[in-house]
Amino acid sequence: RKEVEQDPGPFNVPEGATVAFNCTYSNSASQSFFWYRQDCRKEPKLLMSVYSSGNEDGRFTAQLNRASQYISLLIRDSKLSDSATYLCVTYNFNKFYFGSGTKLNVKP
Amino acid sequence: DAEITQSPRHKITETGRQVTLACHQTWNHNNMFWYRQDLGHGLRLIHYSYGVQDTNKGEVSDGYSVSRSNTEDLPLTLESAASSQTSVYFCASSVGLAGYEQYFGPGTRLTVT
Repeated sequence: RKEVEQDPGPFNVPEGATVAFNCTYSNSASQSFFWYRQDCRKEPKLLMSVYSSGNEDGRFTAQLNRASQYISLLIRDSKLSDSATYLCVTYNFNKFYFGSGTKLNVKP
Repeated sequence: DAEITQSPRHKITETGRQVTLACHQTWNHNNMFWYRQDLGHGLRLIHYSYGVQDTNKGEVSDGYSVSRSNTEDLPLTLESAASSQTSVYFCASSVGLAGYEQYFGPGTRLTVT
């Protein structure tokens, strides 16, 4: 079983829509959680860390559910520039584990 | 500005050849990582280092080696390139581990023919 699993998508949404991604992780001892964004053929870049109490950064909200071992990312008022692949990442036992990513296409 | 660079950006090599991919960071980060990214697998950890002279195997380390002689560089060597090693390779660094951001280089696209 993979450490981190994501729905590959693609999620095709119109501009202005709200979209949510979930990611599940297998190791209950995971210590840290992140969402990274990766544009086509580019390097991943940190979008936001995910804290136990949940956190928000502008249009983006991340939640952590330790009991069910999943992380979510909510994007409100989607922009064309949000089109990318979103990678879920966990950290445990001195290593980072990346999901395969969820592809988002925001259409005009 | 501090940065992380990789070279070459693109490389085509033949099966059986030794190949070295360079990674250089100017943040003075102790932690450095090598990943490969393939369709359907996401990023998989090849090797990592927590400081000079420290190297550790990741989940897909067979056929790869690294050495860390200074803080700035972590070169990745493919001992005898195989077609299965055709991939995009990313180097990353971080100042800490749990809770800390990783900064990625632009990637090296390697094709083994």
